[in-house]
Amino acid sequence: GVTQSPTHLIKTRGQQVTLRCSSQSGHNTVSWYQQALGQGPQFIFQYYREEENGRGNFPPRFSGLQFPNDSSELNVNALELDDSALYLCASSYRADNSPLHFGNGTRLTVT
Amino acid sequence: AQSVTQLDSQVPVFEEAPVELRCNYSSSVSVYLFWYVQYPNQGLQLLLKYLSGSTLVESINGFEAEFNKSQTSFHLRKPSVHISDTAEYFCALNSGGYQKVTFGTGTKLQVIP
Repeated sequence: GVTQSPTHLIKTRGQQVTLRCSSQSGHNTVSWYQQALGQGPQFIFQYYREEENGRGNFPPRFSGLQFPNDSSELNVNALELDDSALYLCASSYRADNSPLHFGNGTRLTVT
Repeated sequence: AQSVTQLDSQVPVFEEAPVELRCNYSSSVSVYLFWYVQYPNQGLQLLLKYLSGSTLVESINGFEAEFNKSQTSFHLRKPSVHISDTAEYFCALNSGGYQKVTFGTGTKLQVIP
C-alpha cells in the first residue's frame, strides 16, 4: 500500500517542512492533497515520471519531487498558520478512471 | 470547471435503518465518479466507482450508488447500516485532463445503536 511519514509534525511559522510518501508498487503517478479540518481533500499537484503533471491552486512554496523508486516528497517553504492540515499522498495508474490509493496522511500543525 | 456538492454535512441514523448520502456534481464533460470513505485518523479508501456502463454500482459491503446524468447526481445508499459504517464519506469526480480529482466537503455518517 501507500505509506507516509511522519504521521505527525509540529512546525513554527516561517520554517520549512518535507513530507515523504512511498507509492503502491506498480503505480506510476503520485498526487498530493491537503485536507483542512472539516473539509474535503484539495488537490495540490501530481507527478508522473518524475515531472509535475498538474497543479491545483497552491502557491510555488509548495513543491514536490518524485523518485524512480516509487517514493516522493512534498516540500513546503515559509510555513503559514493556514498550512496546518492533514496532507495526503495518493498513488495511481496514469488514467482518468484509475482510483486513487491513499496513505494515512501526515498531520502538520504550524504554530 | 468541475465541482462536487455534498448537501449534508452530518447524517445521524439508527442501526439497521436505511441511509442515503447525497452528491451532486457539475462538469461540462463526461465524468468518472467515486465514493471514498475515511475512518478516524486514516486516509481515504475507495468505496465504489462509476466509470461507464450500468448506472448502478455496488460495493462489497452493501453500499450502492446510482449515476443519474440528467440530475447530475451520484447518491450513495445502504438499505441497512451497521455501527461499523460510522465514518466520513466523500464524493469525488474526475473529468479528465491530468487526473485532478475534485472532492466534496464530506458527509459524516453517525450510526446510532
